[in-house]
Amino acid sequence: SQTIHQWPATLVQPVGSPLSLECTVEGTSNPNLYWYRQAAGRGLQLLFYSVGIGQISSEVPQNLSASRPQDRQFILSSKKLLLSDSGFYLCAFQRSGANVLTFGAGSRLTVL
Amino acid sequence: KNQVEQSPQSLIILEGKNCTLQCNYTVSPFSNLRWYKQDTGRGPVSLTIMTFSENTKSNGRYTATLDADTKQSSLHITASQLSDSASYICVVTSYFSGGYNKLIFGAGTRLAVHP
Repeated sequence: SQTIHQWPATLVQPVGSPLSLECTVEGTSNPNLYWYRQAAGRGLQLLFYSVGIGQISSEVPQNLSASRPQDRQFILSSKKLLLSDSGFYLCAFQRSGANVLTFGAGSRLTVL
Repeated sequence: KNQVEQSPQSLIILEGKNCTLQCNYTVSPFSNLRWYKQDTGRGPVSLTIMTFSENTKSNGRYTATLDADTKQSSLHITASQLSDSASYICVVTSYFSGGYNKLIFGAGTRLAVHP
């Protein structure tokens, strides 16, 4: 079965510090991978998606970046966090040919 | 502009009662519509998926409807339980070339079931 792991679950970081959220998928090959941010009372906002190793597309300009160093690994990063980066971040994958997204448990980031 | 709007924003019901959540969308091209349940602090989990030709689909006490002409969907919850307390998110998918699915998310309806 396919599973998705996302960590850390919670993170409190000072402004200006770096960020690394990691997501790994098991049980499938060449999945589409996604990073979303969810603000309170708002719909999920797509940040990045990837259809293959090293292929990253960004939906919105921002302070964040993403990388896919391996087929089933997706990393969300920042060199210097801003207060506005606080939020709930969700990683998701889509098995090739399927039309359903499976989400990770999420990572709550608080920037102080 | 592709949009998904959900109503109400929040809802409180008593345990055992029924409720209906609404989703209106303006998404083109339309591929499918999916309802997700998101427990607080967790990732969304898919409840149902409906394609253009489907009108009704059930998953236990959850029944989703789709009217592709009016671009409306509803999620009906029967005999609510305390564990139904969550946010319910309506998501509409458009397919794009290259295997990438563009998903448009509603803001969700926060349901609280009280004993």
